[in-house]
Amino acid sequence: DVVMTQSPLSLPVTLGQPASISCRSSQSLVYSDGNTYLNWFQQRPGQSPRRLIYKVSNRDSGVPDRFSGSGSGTDFTLKISRVEAEDVGVYYCMQGTHWPLTFGQGTKVEIK
Amino acid sequence: EVQLVQSGAEVKKPGESLKISCKGSGYSFTSYWIGWVRQMPGKGLEWMGIIYPGDSDTRYSPSFQGQVTISADKSISTAYLQWSSLKASDTAMYYCARHSSSPRPEIDYWGQGTLVTVSS
Repeated sequence: DVVMTQSPLSLPVTLGQPASISCRSSQSLVYSDGNTYLNWFQQRPGQSPRRLIYKVSNRDSGVPDRFSGSGSGTDFTLKISRVEAEDVGVYYCMQGTHWPLTFGQGTKVEIK
Repeated sequence: EVQLVQSGAEVKKPGESLKISCKGSGYSFTSYWIGWVRQMPGKGLEWMGIIYPGDSDTRYSPSFQGQVTISADKSISTAYLQWSSLKASDTAMYYCARHSSSPRPEIDYWGQGTLVTVSS
């Protein structure tokens, strides 16, 4: 299985400050069609997860533009330009290039 | 509007069987993969497997192969996750999730979750 490794696992942030989460895969996530199937999900406390970013850097509809995704190959990053109170929760990366699909361990974002 | 509506919480004893469901609406049920994700108490997300209702193609994570069965009834746009003999370690929240169909499956919508508690 492709192992997805996130860091840090816990991220205390100050409101209005930026935050960055890293996700590394044990194999390249570039598929034969040239796309990279790396997604980011947010899970707020007590809620189902929701997708924020697909194919590395594409924001889903309704996702604030303070969220951005970047990276290539095996190294990816989710950035929040200015953290707001509603961003508290756990963030997961997930790869869809290889079977089985796999998630990272999750990064818990909390307000300092 | 795409919606995935899951069946309600379950409390079962070890050794009992269980089948939980997920009904899709607002899209063509046979044109997307639909699958299941486990979240044990206080833990992260684990991808279990998916089924393509159009042709019943089913893929499992090796971690869950043989432990659960994923099925679908396209006539009622409903996917299922079932156990033949539950264990205490099956206690978890289970989410169904729609996956885009090509060329690689990507989760785009989630159900509200079904809490399964297994306790003697």
